[in-house]
Amino acid sequence: DTGVSQDPRHKITKRGQNVTFRCDPISEHNRLYWYRQTLGQGPEFLTYFQNEAQLEKSRLLSDRFSAERPKGSFSTLEIQRTEQGDSAMYLCASSLVPGHEETQYFGPGTRLLVL
Amino acid sequence: KNQVEQSPQSLIILEGKNCTLQCNYTVSPFSNLRWYKQDTGRGPVSLTIMTFSENTKSNGRYTATLDADTKQSSLHITASQLSDSASYICVVSGGGSYIPTFGRGTSLIVHP
Repeated sequence: DTGVSQDPRHKITKRGQNVTFRCDPISEHNRLYWYRQTLGQGPEFLTYFQNEAQLEKSRLLSDRFSAERPKGSFSTLEIQRTEQGDSAMYLCASSLVPGHEETQYFGPGTRLLVL
Repeated sequence: KNQVEQSPQSLIILEGKNCTLQCNYTVSPFSNLRWYKQDTGRGPVSLTIMTFSENTKSNGRYTATLDADTKQSSLHITASQLSDSASYICVVSGGGSYIPTFGRGTSLIVHP
């Protein structure tokens, strides 16, 4: 499978716990994005990486959120001290730049439920 | 402010019928516009992409149109199938940012 993969697909946690999600992009893609999506809404941008450099972070990304892409390949998104409002689908997407019209390819998402 | 508005919010049609989804945007300067299909519980999948110079692009039963002057796009689905039931998201790139602007999507339900 050469698509974007995410792990886990589902996560249920108790409020206050820490969670970590992983994203494996398409192998030659140098750009990686994280989005959050709640029911009935479009994806909301959280952050993106160009290779290992984190170039932009949304104001939605509070201090409890941190993302890394240490070797410019896979990425992790950690949420500390989870809150019920963090319940959402977390989507990862990758793209190749420069490239033809930079199409982002999305993974299947990690659905988080905070109890 | 870069914005993408989609209409209708939801749509129910009978199998075999056609439908058209709308997207209006304020993103400027404009780079390109994509339509994505998102099945329930899955990530979005790209259907079409159009740049400033393109008016129409087709992908099977999906046809997207773009009017860059009025900043409007539409996605027309012909002879709908049950598998077309999904959310359709309009995404516009440009506006001086690498981050595209997403619409909220139109939820389409195709009934047998």
